Amino acid sequence: AQTVTQSQPEMSVQEAETVTLSCTYDTSESNYYLFWYKQPPSRQMILVIRQEAYKQQNATENRFSVNFQKAAKSFSLKISDSQLGDTAMYFCAPQSGQNFVFGPGTRLSVLP
Amino acid sequence: EAGVAQSPRYKIIEKRQSVAFWCNPISGHATLYWYQQILGQGPKLLIQFQNNGVVDDSQLPKDRFSAERLKGVDSTLKIQPAKLEDSAVYLCASSSTSASSYEQYFGPGTRLTVT
Repeated sequence: AQTVTQSQPEMSVQEAETVTLSCTYDTSESNYYLFWYKQPPSRQMILVIRQEAYKQQNATENRFSVNFQKAAKSFSLKISDSQLGDTAMYFCAPQSGQNFVFGPGTRLSVLP
Repeated sequence: EAGVAQSPRYKIIEKRQSVAFWCNPISGHATLYWYQQILGQGPKLLIQFQNNGVVDDSQLPKDRFSAERLKGVDSTLKIQPAKLEDSAVYLCASSSTSASSYEQYFGPGTRLTVT
């Protein structure tokens, strides 16, 4: 079964600073997608960013970018210019067929 | 475009009672997922439907959990009888089979407390 590791259960960052959340995974598939989802307190899960495994270029969405290392099976999320609204649980989710396997999550707190 | 709808949002029951959750996916989304999210953990897939057929129910505790998706649209998830360890948020998500990434769109969830 696919496993996903997010080694930082909790992190904090000062507003306007940059933070990186790590994720490693195990998969036997050759082509797949990887996702980062955000779950704010008491609010629903929303997609932050996606990466296609066969693309070498790292995905970027405004202040969010990834560092994807396919050989190392590493998929970290960088948040630049952190804002108070970025406070949430962040889940790494590699695709496995039509399913996702979610990591245990990293709780990020953005401090004023 | 309306999002994934779920009801109820909150439910409190006693152990050994039964409970049902309802989900209405995004219009046109053929694939529907039910997840269980225990506090402080990532979501765990319980069952996946494509249209009205089951694709994956390998992690569904079939002795007490059941789910159906009649007519390939709405879905219900039932627990009977409930145990204390079933206390969790139950998330419904849907995705389009025409999208290669299978991006999932989530509902707000149903928070179940079993006492």
